Amino acid sequence: GENVEQHPSTLSVQEGDSAVIKCTYSDSASNYFPWYKQELGKGPQLIIDIRSNVGEKKDQRIAVTLNKTAKHFSLHITETQPEDSAVYFCAARLGYGGSQGNLIFGKGTKLSVKP
Amino acid sequence: NAGVTQTPKFRVLKTGQSMTLLCAQDMNHEYMYWYRQDPGMGLRLIHYSVGEGTTAKGEVPDGYNVSRLKKQNFLLGLESAAPSQTSVYFCASSYSGDTSSPLHFGNGTRLTVT
Repeated sequence: GENVEQHPSTLSVQEGDSAVIKCTYSDSASNYFPWYKQELGKGPQLIIDIRSNVGEKKDQRIAVTLNKTAKHFSLHITETQPEDSAVYFCAARLGYGGSQGNLIFGKGTKLSVKP
Repeated sequence: NAGVTQTPKFRVLKTGQSMTLLCAQDMNHEYMYWYRQDPGMGLRLIHYSVGEGTTAKGEVPDGYNVSRLKKQNFLLGLESAAPSQTSVYFCASSYSGDTSSPLHFGNGTRLTVT
């Protein structure tokens, strides 16, 4: 089945710097890659996603890139702010099955932005 | 519009006890899911439902049962709790199974089994 590896597990940056979180997946048929942000005591919230027919997607300070050949995708946060501090999860949808019930999550990255 | 609501927020059980976690959504979503989150393990799918009256197994279904008698509710049951089921449980819903329909998560239930 699909396996998603996420690195690093923890990341500390200074306010204003950029942060990059990387994920690799194993199933070459996977076609949907969302990123979720989880604040303390809350459930995960979708912040950006990308489909396999797109190489890059941007939304203000966040962007996601996808390299299908290498089977990896990355989250880029520019001009980080203290409110970006949270746990970030990447996920990949299995290549078969039509339900998002087949989303496989990475183990998460705890991002700390120091003022 | 409350979104996805989970009750209770916290619960402590003794080994062998049973309990039911309730998830309710007011967005008229068809799909609902139960995940568990353990330190360093990410989110793992327990069971899901693609509509009222349907359920399906996810990645880690053993020891859990679910029911979707009403479209807006998805119940997760533990018949005989074990310490290995100590975890944070998240319910989620989505309008459909299409990738254009993102998951909406509740705020979780922290369960401790002693």
